[in-house]
Amino acid sequence: EDQVTQSPEALRLQEGESSSLNCSYTVSGLRGLFWYRQDPGKGPEFLFTLYSAGEEKEKERLKATLTKKESFLHITAPKPEDSATYLCAVQAGSGGSYIPTFGRGTSLIVHP
Amino acid sequence: EAGVTQFPSHSVIEKGQTVTLRCDPISGHDNLYWYRRVMGKEIKFLLHFVKESKQDESGMPNNRFLAERTGGTYSTLKVQPAELEDSGVYFCASSQDLGGIFQTFGSGTRLTVV
Repeated sequence: EDQVTQSPEALRLQEGESSSLNCSYTVSGLRGLFWYRQDPGKGPEFLFTLYSAGEEKEKERLKATLTKKESFLHITAPKPEDSATYLCAVQAGSGGSYIPTFGRGTSLIVHP
Repeated sequence: EAGVTQFPSHSVIEKGQTVTLRCDPISGHDNLYWYRRVMGKEIKFLLHFVKESKQDESGMPNNRFLAERTGGTYSTLKVQPAELEDSGVYFCASSQDLGGIFQTFGSGTRLTVV
Protein backbone atom coordinates (compact mmCIF):
# COMPACT_ATOMS: atom_id res chain seq x y z
CA GLU A 1 0.00 0.00 0.00
CA ASP A 2 1.30 3.43 -0.99
CA GLN A 3 2.18 5.68 1.96
CA VAL A 4 3.09 9.34 2.29
CA THR A 5 4.37 10.88 5.52
CA GLN A 6 4.96 14.59 5.87
CA SER A 7 7.01 16.28 8.56
CA PRO A 8 6.83 18.37 10.54
CA GLU A 9 3.07 18.60 11.06
CA ALA A 10 3.42 22.30 11.85
CA LEU A 11 6.22 24.80 11.40
CA ARG A 12 6.54 28.38 12.60
CA LEU A 13 9.18 30.59 11.02
CA GLN A 14 10.20 34.19 11.25
CA GLU A 15 10.13 36.13 8.03
CA GLY A 16 13.39 35.48 6.22
CA GLU A 17 14.15 32.26 8.13
CA SER A 18 14.71 29.55 5.52
CA SER A 19 13.65 25.95 6.18
CA SER A 20 12.61 22.68 4.55
CA LEU A 21 9.52 20.51 4.60
CA ASN A 22 9.85 16.76 4.22
CA CYS A 23 7.73 14.22 2.36
CA SER A 24 8.72 10.58 2.76
CA TYR A 25 7.00 8.03 0.58
CA THR A 26 6.75 4.34 -0.19
CA VAL A 27 5.14 3.50 -3.48
CA SER A 28 5.35 0.79 -6.07
CA GLY A 29 6.30 2.40 -9.36
CA LEU A 30 6.38 6.15 -8.81
CA ARG A 31 4.74 8.00 -11.66
CA GLY A 32 4.90 11.43 -10.12
CA LEU A 33 5.22 13.29 -6.83
CA PHE A 34 3.20 16.46 -6.39
CA TRP A 35 3.40 19.42 -4.09
CA TYR A 36 0.33 21.54 -3.43
CA ARG A 37 -0.34 24.65 -1.42
CA GLN A 38 -3.66 24.92 0.41
CA ASP A 39 -5.00 28.10 1.96
CA PRO A 40 -7.81 28.03 4.56
CA GLY A 41 -11.20 27.43 2.95
CA LYS A 42 -9.64 26.69 -0.42
CA GLY A 43 -8.75 23.59 -2.37
CA PRO A 44 -5.18 22.46 -3.00
CA GLU A 45 -3.31 24.59 -5.52
CA PHE A 46 -0.77 22.82 -7.69
CA LEU A 47 2.87 23.84 -7.21
CA PHE A 48 5.19 21.19 -8.69
CA THR A 49 5.36 17.74 -10.20
CA LEU A 50 8.58 15.73 -9.89
CA TYR A 51 9.02 12.56 -11.89
CA SER A 52 12.43 11.03 -11.12
CA ALA A 53 15.13 11.03 -8.47
CA GLY A 54 17.50 13.96 -8.80
CA GLU A 55 14.92 16.24 -10.34
CA GLU A 56 14.52 19.76 -8.96
CA LYS A 57 11.99 22.49 -9.66
CA GLU A 58 11.80 26.08 -8.49
CA LYS A 59 9.12 28.72 -8.22
CA GLU A 60 9.86 32.03 -6.55
CA ARG A 61 10.99 31.21 -2.99
CA LEU A 62 10.14 27.52 -3.29
CA LYS A 63 12.35 24.70 -4.50
CA ALA A 64 11.31 21.05 -4.62
CA THR A 65 13.74 18.15 -4.80
CA LEU A 66 13.24 14.41 -5.14
CA THR A 67 15.15 11.30 -4.11
CA LYS A 68 14.08 7.66 -4.30
CA LYS A 69 12.57 7.83 -0.81
CA GLU A 70 11.66 11.42 -0.10
CA SER A 71 11.06 14.90 -1.38
CA PHE A 72 11.92 18.22 0.19
CA LEU A 73 10.24 21.54 -0.27
CA HIS A 74 12.80 24.21 0.52
CA ILE A 75 11.51 27.66 1.40
CA THR A 76 14.09 30.42 1.07
CA ALA A 77 13.60 33.69 2.94
CA PRO A 78 9.88 33.11 3.48
CA LYS A 79 7.35 35.91 3.71
CA PRO A 80 4.09 35.98 5.69
CA GLU A 81 2.16 35.34 2.46
CA ASP A 82 3.85 31.94 2.25
CA SER A 83 1.80 30.86 5.26
CA ALA A 84 -0.37 27.91 4.20
CA THR A 85 -0.63 24.14 4.43
CA TYR A 86 1.69 22.35 2.03
CA LEU A 87 0.54 18.96 0.78
CA CYS A 88 2.54 16.21 -0.83
CA ALA A 89 1.00 13.46 -2.94
CA VAL A 90 2.33 10.54 -4.95
CA GLN A 91 0.91 8.78 -7.91
CA ALA A 92 1.84 5.21 -8.84
CA GLY A 93 1.87 4.34 -12.47
CA SER A 94 1.72 0.58 -12.69
CA GLY A 95 -1.40 -1.21 -13.85
CA GLY A 96 -3.04 1.90 -15.19
CA SER A 97 -4.31 3.06 -11.83
CA TYR A 98 -3.52 6.70 -11.21
CA ILE A 99 -5.03 7.21 -7.80
CA PRO A 100 -3.03 9.83 -5.89
CA THR A 101 -2.06 9.20 -2.27
CA PHE A 102 -1.82 12.34 -0.14
CA GLY A 103 0.09 13.13 3.03
CA ARG A 104 -1.56 15.00 5.89
CA GLY A 105 0.33 18.17 5.13
CA THR A 106 2.60 20.62 6.91
CA SER A 107 1.00 23.75 8.28
CA LEU A 108 3.44 26.64 7.82
CA ILE A 109 3.09 29.96 9.60
CA VAL A 110 5.53 32.75 8.78
CA HIS A 111 5.61 35.59 11.29
CA PRO A 112 6.51 39.12 10.16
CA GLU B 1 -10.84 30.69 -17.47
CA ALA B 2 -13.32 29.80 -14.73
CA GLY B 3 -12.03 27.36 -12.16
CA VAL B 4 -13.67 24.33 -10.62
CA THR B 5 -16.84 25.35 -8.83
CA GLN B 6 -18.41 23.46 -5.96
CA PHE B 7 -21.60 24.11 -4.07
CA PRO B 8 -22.78 24.40 -1.52
CA SER B 9 -19.67 25.57 0.27
CA HIS B 10 -21.10 24.39 3.58
CA SER B 11 -23.89 21.98 4.49
CA VAL B 12 -25.14 20.93 7.89
CA ILE B 13 -27.61 18.06 7.91
CA GLU B 14 -29.01 15.63 10.42
CA LYS B 15 -28.09 11.99 10.50
CA GLY B 16 -30.34 10.05 8.16
CA GLN B 17 -30.97 12.94 5.79
CA THR B 18 -29.86 13.16 2.18
CA VAL B 19 -27.38 15.66 0.79
CA THR B 20 -26.29 16.30 -2.78
CA LEU B 21 -23.03 18.01 -3.57
CA ARG B 22 -22.37 19.51 -6.97
CA CYS B 23 -19.18 20.09 -8.92
CA ASP B 24 -18.76 22.07 -12.14
CA PRO B 25 -15.38 21.27 -13.69
CA ILE B 26 -13.34 23.51 -15.94
CA SER B 27 -14.93 23.57 -19.38
CA GLY B 28 -13.34 21.00 -21.65
CA HIS B 29 -11.89 18.88 -18.86
CA ASP B 30 -13.03 15.32 -19.48
CA ASN B 31 -11.57 14.05 -16.20
CA LEU B 32 -13.35 14.75 -12.95
CA TYR B 33 -12.33 13.52 -9.52
CA TRP B 34 -13.96 13.47 -6.12
CA TYR B 35 -11.95 13.44 -2.90
CA ARG B 36 -12.75 13.66 0.79
CA ARG B 37 -10.81 14.90 3.78
CA VAL B 38 -11.99 13.79 7.18
CA MET B 39 -10.79 15.98 10.06
CA GLY B 40 -7.27 15.09 11.10
CA LYS B 41 -6.76 12.74 8.17
CA GLU B 42 -5.32 13.04 4.70
CA ILE B 43 -7.25 13.78 1.51
CA LYS B 44 -8.52 10.51 0.08
CA PHE B 45 -9.59 9.65 -3.43
CA LEU B 46 -13.23 8.68 -3.95
CA LEU B 47 -13.73 8.28 -7.68
CA HIS B 48 -12.73 9.35 -11.16
CA PHE B 49 -14.97 10.13 -14.13
CA VAL B 50 -13.87 10.25 -17.72
CA LYS B 51 -16.63 12.20 -19.41
CA GLU B 52 -19.80 10.52 -18.14
CA SER B 53 -18.22 7.15 -17.35
CA LYS B 54 -16.82 6.03 -14.02
CA GLN B 55 -13.17 5.18 -14.64
CA ASP B 56 -12.38 4.22 -11.06
CA GLU B 57 -14.70 4.23 -8.05
CA SER B 58 -12.54 2.15 -5.76
CA GLY B 59 -12.43 4.87 -3.12
CA MET B 60 -16.19 5.14 -2.57
CA PRO B 61 -16.79 4.22 1.09
CA ASN B 62 -20.05 2.32 0.68
CA ASN B 63 -23.32 2.20 -1.24
CA ARG B 64 -24.72 5.22 0.58
CA PHE B 65 -22.63 7.30 -1.79
CA LEU B 66 -23.79 7.79 -5.38
CA ALA B 67 -21.90 9.85 -7.93
CA GLU B 68 -23.18 10.86 -11.32
CA ARG B 69 -21.94 12.97 -14.17
CA THR B 70 -24.70 13.83 -16.55
CA GLY B 71 -23.62 14.38 -20.13
CA GLY B 72 -20.01 14.55 -19.11
CA THR B 73 -20.39 18.03 -17.68
CA TYR B 74 -21.16 18.72 -14.03
CA SER B 75 -21.13 15.99 -11.41
CA THR B 76 -23.16 15.32 -8.30
CA LEU B 77 -22.28 13.30 -5.22
CA LYS B 78 -25.26 12.17 -3.18
CA VAL B 79 -25.04 10.79 0.31
CA GLN B 80 -28.17 8.92 1.40
CA PRO B 81 -28.73 8.40 4.27
CA ALA B 82 -25.96 10.47 5.82
CA GLU B 83 -24.07 9.16 8.86
CA LEU B 84 -21.95 11.05 11.39
CA GLU B 85 -18.72 9.64 9.93
CA ASP B 86 -19.52 11.21 6.56
CA SER B 87 -18.61 14.62 7.93
CA GLY B 88 -15.62 16.18 6.24
CA VAL B 89 -14.60 18.35 3.31
CA TYR B 90 -15.42 17.02 -0.13
CA PHE B 91 -13.20 18.25 -2.93
CA CYS B 92 -13.73 18.01 -6.63
CA ALA B 93 -10.94 18.35 -9.18
CA SER B 94 -10.74 18.26 -12.94
CA SER B 95 -7.99 17.75 -15.49
CA GLN B 96 -7.50 17.51 -19.23
CA ASP B 97 -4.96 14.70 -19.02
CA LEU B 98 -6.22 11.18 -18.34
CA GLY B 99 -3.38 10.54 -15.93
CA GLY B 100 -4.54 13.34 -13.68
CA ILE B 101 -1.10 14.87 -13.35
CA PHE B 102 -2.38 18.44 -13.57
CA GLN B 103 -5.55 18.61 -11.51
CA THR B 104 -7.30 21.83 -10.61
CA PHE B 105 -9.22 21.63 -7.36
CA GLY B 106 -12.37 23.36 -6.26
CA SER B 107 -12.68 25.02 -2.87
CA GLY B 108 -14.59 22.09 -1.45
CA THR B 109 -17.88 21.49 0.34
CA ARG B 110 -17.69 21.23 4.11
CA LEU B 111 -20.29 18.67 5.19
CA THR B 112 -21.28 18.37 8.80
CA VAL B 113 -23.63 15.58 9.85
CA VAL B 114 -25.16 16.08 13.30
